[in-house]
Amino acid sequence: IAGITQAPTSQILAAGRRMTLRCTQDMRHNAMYWYRQDLGLGLRLIHYSNTAGTTGKGEVPDGYSVSRANTDDFPLTLASAVPSQTSVYFCASSVTEVTTQYFGPGTRLTVL
Amino acid sequence: GESVGLHLPTLSVQEGDNSIINCAYSNSASDYFIWYKQESGKGPQFIIDIRSNMDKRQGQRVTVLLNKTVKHLSLQIAATQPGDSAVYFCAEKQGGSEKLVFGKGTKLTVNP
Repeated sequence: IAGITQAPTSQILAAGRRMTLRCTQDMRHNAMYWYRQDLGLGLRLIHYSNTAGTTGKGEVPDGYSVSRANTDDFPLTLASAVPSQTSVYFCASSVTEVTTQYFGPGTRLTVL
Repeated sequence: GESVGLHLPTLSVQEGDNSIINCAYSNSASDYFIWYKQESGKGPQFIIDIRSNMDKRQGQRVTVLLNKTVKHLSLQIAATQPGDSAVYFCAEKQGGSEKLVFGKGTKLTVNP
């Protein structure tokens, strides 16, 4: 059982390019989340999904979009990347939206 | 505003000593608290949680204490080991919300 996997592990991207970060979990968790982690700012919620077919905005949603077509996958898309989106991105999942969240290994994204 | 914060950004202890990491919260509506450990280059790892109807909860070498009167949360690590060196985050979930709010983190360094 892998838990939560994220891809790619790291990526360098030119500003203006479109990028999708992938997240897959095999725990059949209903809820999934995307966070970004920046030095001095901690973990901030970008988007979340309480169940397949639904999504919601977190604290810093601008410039990002998500979809939840099925239980296992929760991709995060940057439509037109900007340097301020340079960060480490973590995907997380939980059985329900009110239970403990478990995190993936992260994707380090650099936008130049 | 409502926030989760940490008293100490860094903590250095000797191997074998006990460690105490503190966290303050200001939202009295918070009813669920989690401690995460994050090693360099990895995602946050769940350590222990506690609900607001409890004052204390113990795990393997770790204890979480919750003082609702002064809105304070602490993580105690017994017989600290070099493998405990990491950044520790507290997180709170506010009643009725599915969103976790994370503190900035405390870096624990264990000296041999």
